[in-house]
Amino acid sequence: NAGVTQTPKFQVLKTGQSMTLQCAQDMNHNSMYWYRQDPGMGLRLIYYSASEGTTDKGEVPNGYNVSRLNKREFSLRLESAAPSQTSVYFCASSEPGQGRSPLHFGNGTRLTVT
Amino acid sequence: GENVEQHPSTLSVQEGDSAVIKCTYSDSASNYFPWYKQELGKRPQLIIDIRSNVGEKKDQRIAVTLNKTAKHFSLHITETQPEDSAVYFCAASGRVNNDMRFGAGTRLTVKP
Repeated sequence: NAGVTQTPKFQVLKTGQSMTLQCAQDMNHNSMYWYRQDPGMGLRLIYYSASEGTTDKGEVPNGYNVSRLNKREFSLRLESAAPSQTSVYFCASSEPGQGRSPLHFGNGTRLTVT
Repeated sequence: GENVEQHPSTLSVQEGDSAVIKCTYSDSASNYFPWYKQELGKRPQLIIDIRSNVGEKKDQRIAVTLNKTAKHFSLHITETQPEDSAVYFCAASGRVNNDMRFGAGTRLTVKP
């Protein structure tokens, strides 16, 4: 099993450009998440999807949109990138249906907006 | 939503000493508390977790304690080794495991 796979690994955007970060998991998990990680601020939840067909805002949703394409895939879109969105983005999945369960993270996408 | 605070932000210990990292949470309904280790340039990985019906859990050199009344939980690493050097994150999740919030992290350095 590959676990959680994110693409791309690195990306440089200019202010105002758009892009979509892709995430797929092969663990048959119901829940998926997008976090951003900035120095000294830990991991902040952007959006999550409790199950296929549902999405909810997390702590820092402004400037982002998400799509739960199917049970495996959860994408994050930046419509008009800003320098404040320079960060490392992590996708994760979990299976809360089995009780409280840990997140399984992808390897991250390092995004720079100039 | 849940708010998790973590202290200290940096911690330096001598090899063989113990290290303790503390976290507090705000939502009394939170009932799952994992700890993650993140090495430089890599993804966070679970090292230990505890559920609210348990006060303490151990796994070799790592232990976690939970005080639900005070809403705080701690990570204890004994006999530290240089390979324990990393950033450690605590987290808490509430009624459902869909809104997991993290502390800001502790950079642990173990000096040989």
